[in-house]
Amino acid sequence: KQEVTQIPAALSVPEGENLVLNCSFTDSAIYNLQWFRQDPGKGLTSLLLIQSSQREQTSGRLNASLDKSSGRSTLYIAASQPGDSATYLCAVDGGSNYKLTFGKGTLLTVNP
Amino acid sequence: DVKVTQSSRYLVKRTGEKVFLECVQDMDHENMFWYRQDPGLGLRLIYFSYDVKMKEKGDIPEGYSVSREKKERFSLILESASTNQTSMYLCASSPQGFNSPLHFGNGTRLTVT
Repeated sequence: KQEVTQIPAALSVPEGENLVLNCSFTDSAIYNLQWFRQDPGKGLTSLLLIQSSQREQTSGRLNASLDKSSGRSTLYIAASQPGDSATYLCAVDGGSNYKLTFGKGTLLTVNP
Repeated sequence: DVKVTQSSRYLVKRTGEKVFLECVQDMDHENMFWYRQDPGLGLRLIYFSYDVKMKEKGDIPEGYSVSREKKERFSLILESASTNQTSMYLCASSPQGFNSPLHFGNGTRLTVT
């Protein structure tokens, strides 16, 4: 059974810092890995999707990488801003009936 | 932009009531999902549907049922609400095929007293 782990559970950084969020998964047989952002009390917003054949995806200040063989993904946020404060979740798609397996998320706080 | 709309942001119901949570998407997506999110447990899939009138159980279907009579609408039904169904409920949709991102609604915070 696929398990997805995100460490740390919470992270606090000063504004302007570059940071990395980690996601690990136990079964490397995946179709893709997705990163989401969730603001308090709201739904999830899709940030990046990396297909299994890809190594990384970029969107603005965000860069996500994928290493299937080691079961790891990272989300790099450049020049962090207070507006980046949110919970970041990763999810892997094992291709089985469209079911995603989610990590429990990393709560990011960017302090002004 | 894809819009997934959940009919209620907050809902308070009594134990034993029948509860309907409604979700509508405007992008003609084939797939629709219902998740619940609880502190410490993360997101768990309740049911999903890949076509009209089609449904598949997720990881925690007990106590729930679903209905998909039209492509754009996916309803979650709590036949007899219980306090352990107090949770945040999230609806999502995606187009058919692999490697398509999920689009979520803003969630319904359900409290059962």
